[in-house]
Amino acid sequence: AQSVTQPDIHITVSEGASLELRCNYSYGATPYLFWYVQSPGQGLQLLLKYFSGDTLVQGIKGFEAEFKRSQSSFNLRKPSVHWSDAAEYFCAVGVRGGYQKVTFGTGTKLQVIP
Amino acid sequence: DGGITQSPKYLFRKEGQNVTLSCEQNLNHDAMYWYRQDPGQGLRLIYYSQIVNDFQKGDIAEGYSVSREKKESFPLTVTSAQKNPTAFYLCASSILGDLTEAFFGQGTRLTVV
Repeated sequence: AQSVTQPDIHITVSEGASLELRCNYSYGATPYLFWYVQSPGQGLQLLLKYFSGDTLVQGIKGFEAEFKRSQSSFNLRKPSVHWSDAAEYFCAVGVRGGYQKVTFGTGTKLQVIP
Repeated sequence: DGGITQSPKYLFRKEGQNVTLSCEQNLNHDAMYWYRQDPGQGLRLIYYSQIVNDFQKGDIAEGYSVSREKKESFPLTVTSAQKNPTAFYLCASSILGDLTEAFFGQGTRLTVV
């Protein structure tokens, strides 16, 4: 079975600074990878996904992520953080067999300070 | 506008009572899912359904029940057998298949009082 680890529970960055959220997965083959964002008391919104092809994936709101097979990682990046990016971010890994097989990480809470 | 609607947003339950959370989608998706979210634990799958009148247990189905009488609707009942029901519940839907993403509702926060 696959697993996913988000090593950082909480991250604080200054507005305008760059951001990188870490995600590591464990799976024997190439997984499907997702990043979601959740504002307090809200549902999850998909930021980006990787199924195959180009390992650098562009998403919404200026986010991107890079799939690195050698490091089993799928880190999320943004060059300049805005105060509205404060939220919780979830990495998820899926395998063949349908979305019910997607496993979610425990999340990283992002705080943005002025 | 297509989407997933969960209701109510907040729900309070007395111990020993069953409660039902509503989830409706107008995305014409075949698959629907229920997740439970607790602080620091990410999302855990409770039940899912890929077709009307059929559903499967997820990782934490004990104390929960579902039905899928219509393609658009997938209600979740939290029964009195669920030992710790206070949580945030998320419903999602997707098309069938491997290369798919799910769309999530806004969630229902259930509190046992």
